[in-house]
Amino acid sequence: GAVVSQHPSRVICKSGTSVKIECRSLDFQATTMFWYRQFPKKSLMLMATSNEGSKATYEQGVEKDKFLINHASLTLSTLTVTSAHPEDSSFYICSAIRGGDTQYFGPGTRLTVL
Amino acid sequence: EDQVTQSPEALRLQEGESSSLNCSYTVSGLRGLFWYRQDPGKGPEFLFTLYSAGEEKEKERLKATLTKKESFLHITAPKPEDSATYLCAVRGYGAGGTSYGKLTFGQGTILTVHP
Repeated sequence: GAVVSQHPSRVICKSGTSVKIECRSLDFQATTMFWYRQFPKKSLMLMATSNEGSKATYEQGVEKDKFLINHASLTLSTLTVTSAHPEDSSFYICSAIRGGDTQYFGPGTRLTVL
Repeated sequence: EDQVTQSPEALRLQEGESSSLNCSYTVSGLRGLFWYRQDPGKGPEFLFTLYSAGEEKEKERLKATLTKKESFLHITAPKPEDSATYLCAVRGYGAGGTSYGKLTFGQGTILTVHP
């Protein structure tokens, strides 16, 4: 069954608004979660690593003020896209490591900014 | 810097026609090599983790193998429902040799199985 869940699965918003995406680990505690972005027909691009109780580590080129990450508990991380613009439209996927080295991925969130 | 190259980019098979997907990698200290399946509009689904050369793992029609430079995903007698993008990723050791290095993905192989 599913190991990582995401909500919402799809969101459409107007340019300039903020959108929050939730990522939950199911039945296990995840001290570290990861946020990825995927463009059509492309592979996954790591945006940031989220650690429970501390600041996220962002990859080079990712605007931390645009993509706010909060890992408030051992089962929940959130990604907020602030002042979203059409170029932020993408498929966002979260992930967590469970039991060793294997990283499990959520079902993804399709963001469309009009 | 860790690198992963998958080939072919796309593979079209007839149902029942066995084949293999290749994943070549370079990493400074392999912590694990991972295979995922991704269907359109969905997140990657975990298939296998391989840790050392010579290791093999099987699941239904899929078998993954690992050498020091590459991994193969063998598909035996595929069915149309095996159609998907197959992603290979590696994780090396992070700073200090103990923490998690990040996953580095290949571009994927798009597999289409025709009935």
